[in-house]
Amino acid sequence: QVLLQGSGPRLVKPSETLSLTCTVSGDSISGYYWNWIRQPPGKGLEWIGYIYPGGGSNYNPSLKSRVIMSVDSSKNEMSLSLSFVTAADTAVYYCARPYKRGWYGGAFHLWGQGAIVTVSS
Amino acid sequence: QSVLTQPPSVSGAPGQRVTISCTGSSSNIGAGYDVHWYQHLPGTAPRLLIYSNTDRPSGVPDRFSGSKSGTSASLAISGLQAEDEGDYYCQSHDTSPSAVIFGGGTKLTVL
Repeated sequence: QVLLQGSGPRLVKPSETLSLTCTVSGDSISGYYWNWIRQPPGKGLEWIGYIYPGGGSNYNPSLKSRVIMSVDSSKNEMSLSLSFVTAADTAVYYCARPYKRGWYGGAFHLWGQGAIVTVSS
Repeated sequence: QSVLTQPPSVSGAPGQRVTISCTGSSSNIGAGYDVHWYQHLPGTAPRLLIYSNTDRPSGVPDRFSGSKSGTSASLAISGLQAEDEGDYYCQSHDTSPSAVIFGGGTKLTVL
């Protein structure tokens, strides 16, 4: 059984950096486009971006200037960094994996449990 | 405002059939990109219902079906059950700019 486990601070101050990690167990992180998706309170799903181990990344244009994603294949985990956060970044953050290796266009089949991150002083 | 347009809400009685539309444009659905559908119940992670327009992952009942035509796609749910109540999202990919995109979501109410 493949599991995605998210971790990181749940309370972040305005203007600081939000950092989350997603650890993958039960399968290798290789070959998949790993994504971060968030849902602000009362709103819909928003794609943050993806990273491909050993390859490139692609971020939501609206967040691109503040987002950095990375992968540590030795630990089978990926990370999200979102800088200069504001209250608008308060959301449930999910890591997600597409249905098949090599798919970059979505079809997210495996999801982490979701991390509720609040931006507040 | 989402690039993919969904109705804010739909409803139906148990046993009935409902459809949820997802309207895009020539830079996403109309460009040939696949449409995927998710069910999102409160307190849980989204669940992939339909991928590549019409296919169901293992374990998804055949009450759920998807279709795509031109710049739009639809999700149909037949034999409505109380546990189907929740939010449904369509998702595709856009070329300008290159990005994964979601619809705004549709709240399904089972009467």
